[in-house]
Amino acid sequence: GQNIDQPTEMTATEGAIVQINCTYQTSGFNGLFWYQQHAGEAPTFLSYNVLDGLEEKGRFSSFLSRSKGYSYLLLKELQMKDSASYLCAVRDSNYQLIWGAGTKLIIKP
Amino acid sequence: ETGVTQTPRHLVMGMTNKKSLKCEQHLGHNAMYWYKQSAKKPLELMFVYNFKEQTENNSVPSRFSPECPNSSHLFLHLHTLQPEDSALYLCASSQEGEPAYEQYFGPGTRLTVT
Repeated sequence: GQNIDQPTEMTATEGAIVQINCTYQTSGFNGLFWYQQHAGEAPTFLSYNVLDGLEEKGRFSSFLSRSKGYSYLLLKELQMKDSASYLCAVRDSNYQLIWGAGTKLIIKP
Repeated sequence: ETGVTQTPRHLVMGMTNKKSLKCEQHLGHNAMYWYKQSAKKPLELMFVYNFKEQTENNSVPSRFSPECPNSSHLFLHLHTLQPEDSALYLCASSQEGEPAYEQYFGPGTRLTVT
């Protein structure tokens, strides 16, 4: 079967750095996505990786290793507004998105 | 605002009611999706429409009936639902053919079946 694993919950301190990991086992690979979802709101697109390596976008970076079936989302200079759930999703060989259950990130002052 | 709107935002219905959820996208996209989101579970893809044609139906019970009259509007008709159908129902759209064609989500309809 297809599977996306990510931690259920993480806690970090304002101003610090946090890394959210995602491992996947899917039938084929056509890209990996990270989304942010604040409580009661729509998921919003953060990043897309299709080749190995690091993609940087301001305070957020996303890394991919296809050979290891592994990605991480790195958030720097954490702000209180970064408290949200972070969803990892992989597009499989049928171009369907397979979703993880999300990681709830709690930021403490 | 993501360019995708959903109404109503909240809905409480009995098991014998019939209701409809509405989604509209203002992004000019050619694909639209219905998802179910339950607490602490992955997003479940329900239906996909590509250029108004349904291309995916992931074994969804017939008490859920989608309708896509044009590329900007998507409906989910509900009838004789069960309490386990209570969840957040999310609509999304994307532009097929773009390199990433990431999905843009609406705010969702919080459905409670009593």
